[in-house]
Amino acid sequence: KAGVTQTPRYLIKTRGQQVTLSCSPISGHRSVSWYQQTPGQGLQFLFEYFSETQRNKGNFPGRFSGRQFSNSRSEMNVSTLELGDSALYLCASSSAVANSPLHFGNGTRLTVT
Amino acid sequence: AQTVTQSQPEMSVQEAETVTLSCTYDTSENNYYLFWYKQPPSRQMILVIRQEAYKQQNATENRFSVNFQKAAKSFSLKISDSQLGDTAMYFCAFMVDRGAQKLVFGQGTRLTINP
Repeated sequence: KAGVTQTPRYLIKTRGQQVTLSCSPISGHRSVSWYQQTPGQGLQFLFEYFSETQRNKGNFPGRFSGRQFSNSRSEMNVSTLELGDSALYLCASSSAVANSPLHFGNGTRLTVT
Repeated sequence: AQTVTQSQPEMSVQEAETVTLSCTYDTSENNYYLFWYKQPPSRQMILVIRQEAYKQQNATENRFSVNFQKAAKSFSLKISDSQLGDTAMYFCAFMVDRGAQKLVFGQGTRLTINP
């Protein structure tokens, strides 16, 4: 089975721009969640989607948004980029059955200049 | 709100030694799951071991085992016969058993295995 695929692996953007990150979950997994990883704040939960609906949202400003498509693929969008948005963005998928583990992708490294 | 604390930012041991990573958490929930994830330089988070809070028996996976103390809210990871490939960041994580797949992570412990 193919793992969780995140594209692109690296991105460099300028302040004020917007960016879209993509995540393809493991086949059959209907839950996709996103995390931001920075040296200062560590790993923080952004949001989770299940069957195209956002089930849970972390404490991030409205500039961070996401969506999930009918094939479970998910995208995350950040608008009006700030320097502090520079981070590794990790996507995870699971079957969402109780006790099912989260499987992570390799992440997208976003640098905002 | 749940919090997870890893009090050891860095640890270093010799190959073949045993090492224990500490983790404590705070929650008012009764049903939850605990995990240890490993993040090598490749960046991918890899599940090492998991524990259901309702199970008293400590989980084991080959060289990896946990010491789960529910009353003390403690969840330590023991790595036996450590190998060079165990070098990585290790994260302790918590998930409430209530449907939504949301992990709360600790700050991580950087583990180095020396030859």
